[in-house]
Amino acid sequence: DSGVTQTPKHLITATGQRVTLRCSPRSGDLSVYWYQQSLDQGLQFLIQYYNGEERAKGNILERFSAQQFPDLHSELNLSSLELGDSALYFCASSFRDHPGNTIYFGEGSWLTVV
Amino acid sequence: TQLLEQSPQFLSIQEGENLTVYCNSSSVFSSLQWYRQEPGEGPVLLVTVVTGGEVKKLKRLTFQFGDARKDSSLHITAAQPGDTGLYLCAGVSSGAGSYQLTFGKGTKLSVIP
Repeated sequence: DSGVTQTPKHLITATGQRVTLRCSPRSGDLSVYWYQQSLDQGLQFLIQYYNGEERAKGNILERFSAQQFPDLHSELNLSSLELGDSALYFCASSFRDHPGNTIYFGEGSWLTVV
Repeated sequence: TQLLEQSPQFLSIQEGENLTVYCNSSSVFSSLQWYRQEPGEGPVLLVTVVTGGEVKKLKRLTFQFGDARKDSSLHITAAQPGDTGLYLCAGVSSGAGSYQLTFGKGTKLSVIP
């Protein structure tokens, strides 16, 4: 158990819909990361927040958005869903935004778009 | 765009055999990490290598960082079924007050009893 909690674990939704994935970081961790994992693309960095502020953006689509709340939990919003958005979405957290800090991954949220 | 290529993509071996997986890039990274991911779980950090030429050992696993900090290898001695999983390498790069991980697509290892 990494201490990072993600909900829901599985989600099936139709194309065009919108979903929200939720992440609670490890206690005390200030930095939250979102990754997408698919068979063809591997693990892709989407976005990072540090203490409520956006810190870095990766390959995140404009249809996707995220935020980190004052209690440090984070949400990833996926809208106008397409079949290609089906993937495993991971949240990860670390104490600070520094290479020396270990990043801990949650168990992921499986999203299937039908 | 920094890319990390891992090889082989799939590896199936018998218990007790040795194996090596490779992680190569055309870019230089400040450090490189190896993770193992088991089905239904997120990746778990195994090791971070920082210095060119560095070798780290974790029980039966030996990690090496290339001299030019562009490539790395993971060698497993006497593989066991418990070593089965997806092995991911990730290059660490820093910039603009943040740092990012660039992951390879992984090597899926199956160790057959």
